[in-house]
Amino acid sequence: DARVTQTPRHKVTEMGQEVTMRCQPILGHNTVFWYRQTMMQGLELLAYFRNRAPLDDSGMPKDRFSAEMPDATLATLKIQPSEPRDSAVYFCASGSQGAEKLFFGSGTQLSVL
Amino acid sequence: AQSVTQPDIHITVSEGASLELRCNYSYGATPYLFWYVQSPGQGLQLLLKYFSGDTLVQGIKGFEAEFKRSQSSFNLRKPSVHWSDAAEYFCAVGAVNNNDMRFGAGTRLTVKP
Repeated sequence: DARVTQTPRHKVTEMGQEVTMRCQPILGHNTVFWYRQTMMQGLELLAYFRNRAPLDDSGMPKDRFSAEMPDATLATLKIQPSEPRDSAVYFCASGSQGAEKLFFGSGTQLSVL
Repeated sequence: AQSVTQPDIHITVSEGASLELRCNYSYGATPYLFWYVQSPGQGLQLLLKYFSGDTLVQGIKGFEAEFKRSQSSFNLRKPSVHWSDAAEYFCAVGAVNNNDMRFGAGTRLTVKP
């Protein structure tokens, strides 16, 4: 079955360290989203890409977060330096432009101590 | 920009009882509306969606939702809840081509035996 793959599933790190989360979208999907889920904020859209180009990253703190798609099979979300308030579950989702369904990965649970 | 409000953060129902989860949206045009479910440790799974046509939509796992334009609502219902329905439920509103999907903060459903 085609699915969105996120790595790592869990990450525990210390404040100030760099964190990189990876996402492999479903082959053929040209839209990729990054979401962050916290108990306080619920699900927040951080960034999304179409055909590897960033369309909207207004939900992302620019000073420490960056999102890229080095190629069509890989999306990365990087936090540098990480802070305890970044602790959350980060979801990646992919879809096809014009299609109505997004496919979500299982998320990366990040804990920053 | 579109937005979604889920007024209930946490709902508890008894197994076998009926369920209604509320969702209100704000959008300038006809929205695309979705309900997703997130089980513990899992990604989001699409329950149902509304694009146009019949305002009562049927989804998987016995769920249904009704689009009411006059109330800007898209409430999720199930006539008889099962213990396996305990999860986090997210309502979402999207634009054409999934360019920008916004999620509500989620409603956590607890099912009592």
